[in-house]
Amino acid sequence: DAKTTQPPSMDCAEGRAANLPCNHSTISGNEYVYWYRQIHSQGPQYIIHGLKNNETNEMASLIITEDRKSSTLILPHATLRDTAVYYCIVRENTGNQFYFGTGTSLTVIP
Amino acid sequence: GAVVSQHPSRVICKSGTSVKIECRSLDFQATTMFWYRQFPKQSLMLMATSNEGSKATYEQGVEKDKFLINHASLTLSTLTVTSAHPEDSSFYICSAEYRGNSPLHFGNGTRLTVT
Repeated sequence: DAKTTQPPSMDCAEGRAANLPCNHSTISGNEYVYWYRQIHSQGPQYIIHGLKNNETNEMASLIITEDRKSSTLILPHATLRDTAVYYCIVRENTGNQFYFGTGTSLTVIP
Repeated sequence: GAVVSQHPSRVICKSGTSVKIECRSLDFQATTMFWYRQFPKQSLMLMATSNEGSKATYEQGVEKDKFLINHASLTLSTLTVTSAHPEDSSFYICSAEYRGNSPLHFGNGTRLTVT
C-alpha cells in the first residue's frame, strides 16, 4: 500500500516555481523517494528520485528533509505543459511492488 | 531514455471475449514488469508483479484466472483479460524495471472498452 500523503490539488502561476510536498513519515532506511507525473490518458512519466540527499536533474529538484519523513518536488519555472497529476512514491530500490498514492493534481495557470 | 511500448493503445471488445495486451521493453532487459489498472479520476492500482520465467504475484482482490499474465522473456509481458465484462473497462498500464539502480518506466496504457 502507498505510504505517502499528498495534497489533492495545487495551483501555480506560469513561470513561477511549483513546490509539491509529500509526507512519508513511515519511510524506512533503505526506501527511496520517487516522483512521477501523469498527464491525462498517458502512462506515468519518471521525474526524479533520491534516498537522502537532495537531487536535481533537467526536469526538477527533489528536497528531502534530514529525518526523511517528508520531501518536496520543485519545478523551477512551471509551464502550462506541467499541468498533471504528480505522484510521490516510496520503495526499496528494486524488485518490490510499486504502489501509487492519490497524488497531487497540479494546475499551471497562465 | 528507456522505452516501454504497450499495444494496443485502444481496444473495444464484446462481452465474453478475451483481450490480450502486450508490454515490451524496447532497449533494456526487464527483469520485473508491473501491471496496473486505472479507473477515471482515480490513481493507478497495482494488479500484479511479474518476473521473467516465473508466475506472477497478484495483489489481493485481483482474480488471477481472469487476468492472465505471462512474462515469457526479458522484453515481453502480456496481460490477457479473459471473458471480459463491461466492469473490466478501464485503462491498463504496464511498467518495466531493469535490475539495478533504475526507476520504473511506464507504457502509455491501453484503453479497454467492453460492450
